Amino acid sequence: GQQVMQIPQYQHVQEGEDFTTYCNSSTTLSNIQWYKQRPGGHPVFLIQLVKSGEVKKQKRLTFQFGEAKKNSSLHITATQTTDVGTYFCAGPGVGTNAGKSTFGDGTTLTVKP
Amino acid sequence: EAGVVQSPRYKIIEKKQPVAFWCNPISGHNTLYWYRQNLGQGPELLIRYENEEAVDDSQLPKDRFSAERLKGVDSTLKIQPAELGDSAVYLCASRLTALVEQFFGPGTRLTVL
Repeated sequence: GQQVMQIPQYQHVQEGEDFTTYCNSSTTLSNIQWYKQRPGGHPVFLIQLVKSGEVKKQKRLTFQFGEAKKNSSLHITATQTTDVGTYFCAGPGVGTNAGKSTFGDGTTLTVKP
Repeated sequence: EAGVVQSPRYKIIEKKQPVAFWCNPISGHNTLYWYRQNLGQGPELLIRYENEEAVDDSQLPKDRFSAERLKGVDSTLKIQPAELGDSAVYLCASRLTALVEQFFGPGTRLTVL
């Protein structure tokens, strides 16, 4: 079945530094979603990307979907302590399982003030 | 608007005991998910409902896990008997079928001793 792989597993940065996490799939994705989970919290939806080469921004967060729709990235500019958490990408299922989301194992970001 | 409600928040049981989790989705959300999240991993889908119908339960260990969503609103997930490896956070999520965003509940942290 479809899997999405995320790298790196952990990232520790100094406040103000940039951060990027990557998500890769072995198959072409119709869309990809990104979620953030704060320590001790639950996943919260950030965004969905659908189009090949799509780029979307949310304040300091930039999301990209690869041209081949097999990879995606999340970039945070000038990290803040509020950015701490685990960032997950999730790909959809196929066919009758299109409503299913397959999550990666996430990238855990820690920010040193 | 109330979010997804789950109870209990924490549960500690001995192995071989039964346990049940309850989820009340956001009002009007037809699609409901149960996920299991192990430490350091992304959520893993156990079962997905469209209204009262289970449309994807391929990942549900049916020998010990069961779920129901009577009347297409609240849902319960049961484990009987629990095993040590079932210790995890059990997350419920819901969404409007026509939209992408999943809303997660706070989860139930299960510890099996």
